[in-house]
Amino acid sequence: ETGVTQSPTHLIKTRGQQVTLRCSSQSGHNTVSWYQQALGQGPQFIFQYYREEENGRGNFPPRFSGLQFPNYSSELNVNALELDDSALYLCASSLRDMNTEAFFGQGTRLTVV
Amino acid sequence: AQKITQTQPGMFVQEKEAVTLDCTYDTSDQSYGLFWYKQPSSGEMIFLIYQGSYDEQNATEGRYSLNFQKARKSANLVISASQLGDSAMYFCAMRGLSGGSNYKLTFGKGTLLTVNP
Repeated sequence: ETGVTQSPTHLIKTRGQQVTLRCSSQSGHNTVSWYQQALGQGPQFIFQYYREEENGRGNFPPRFSGLQFPNYSSELNVNALELDDSALYLCASSLRDMNTEAFFGQGTRLTVV
Repeated sequence: AQKITQTQPGMFVQEKEAVTLDCTYDTSDQSYGLFWYKQPSSGEMIFLIYQGSYDEQNATEGRYSLNFQKARKSANLVISASQLGDSAMYFCAMRGLSGGSNYKLTFGKGTLLTVNP
């Protein structure tokens, strides 16, 4: 079991609403990445945070935004929710510049109705 | 750009037998890492094994081994002595280790492994 925890585990929102997902990274890890995994697909990279700044971004619109805090925990915010945002959102923590695996949390399953 | 291809949507194996899950990749990076993750129905991605592009020997972790053929750009996962608990989705992923691509994992679409008793 990894030290990465995500909250909440499940969430139901209405189209047009806003949502905040949270992630606590593994102790000692300074980099947090977020991924979206639609049903039946592999995870897709949303963005990564290192030292509280966005360090890279995938092909996601600006309504997907994030934060990283001094303790390396992170938030993913999604505004103006759309039905297609329904997915499993995974957080992964790692050490930047090291060839190490990323440790994932158990994910937040978001359903937009 | 990086791309991972997993051509087997589903695989079946008898308990205690070995199984190979296929993965091919494409990248312009000279240095990269290849990963395999297991995702049970609970959703968590569980790290299994890692292979660096400059590692001369194939990686092994317990019952998992990675058959790395660099010239063919393949990184197949071999699971020996399958157990019922191995039933899950398996994802192959890669990350560039230089330049601007070293910040993200690129995943394939996955292979659903079912172990039969």
